[in-house]
Amino acid sequence: AQRVTQPEKLLSVFKGAPVELKCNYSYSGSPELFWYVQYSRQRLQLLLRHISRESIKGFTADLNKGETSFHLKKPFAQEEDSAMYYCALWGPSNTGKLIFGQGTTLQVKP
Amino acid sequence: DAGVIQSPRHEVTEMGQEVTLRCKPISGHNSLFWYRQTMMRGLELLIYFNNNVPIDDSGMPEDRFSAKMPNASFSTLKIQPSEPRDSAVYFCASSQFRGLGTEAFFGQGTRLTVV
Repeated sequence: AQRVTQPEKLLSVFKGAPVELKCNYSYSGSPELFWYVQYSRQRLQLLLRHISRESIKGFTADLNKGETSFHLKKPFAQEEDSAMYYCALWGPSNTGKLIFGQGTTLQVKP
Repeated sequence: DAGVIQSPRHEVTEMGQEVTLRCKPISGHNSLFWYRQTMMRGLELLIYFNNNVPIDDSGMPEDRFSAKMPNASFSTLKIQPSEPRDSAVYFCASSQFRGLGTEAFFGQGTRLTVV
């Protein structure tokens, strides 16, 4: 069964500190994983996708199939990073389901 | 394109009343998803459609919930009768499959309060 787990509801760090938002998944095939972000009063939007192996706003995420994880990292947090972050997994092909974890609120304190 | 459009933005209703949430996906998109967001459970997938056909409704919590997609540009999520525990933010999202890394686009959400 498809499942995404984000163990932390809230992560609070000081500006300039490193950030790691945890995401673990359960999926029988080759997973497609994403991170979405929801800033205050804005709609949910794509932050990055594992297939692109990109860095967006200083964030990176590496897929670790051995540990079934896709943690989101940033070396130096900024106050504007404060938001709700969701890890997501897309099932097979174009008829697959897109499911999300429970979300983690990142709070960056000045 | 204005993106995914949901209406109403806010809905307050009394327990037992029927509630209908509406969604207009992005033109040309062939997948549509309905989600419910709560503090306790995060973003739960309720149902999704592909080419207007419901593919998986296993996330619909009870028979009180129903969803339709009569055409490619419109979908509804109905709750009848509504209960206080249905209070949540309901999101609609749409996508056009383009292979690996396809992005889903979200609406602003409907904040439902059942009193």
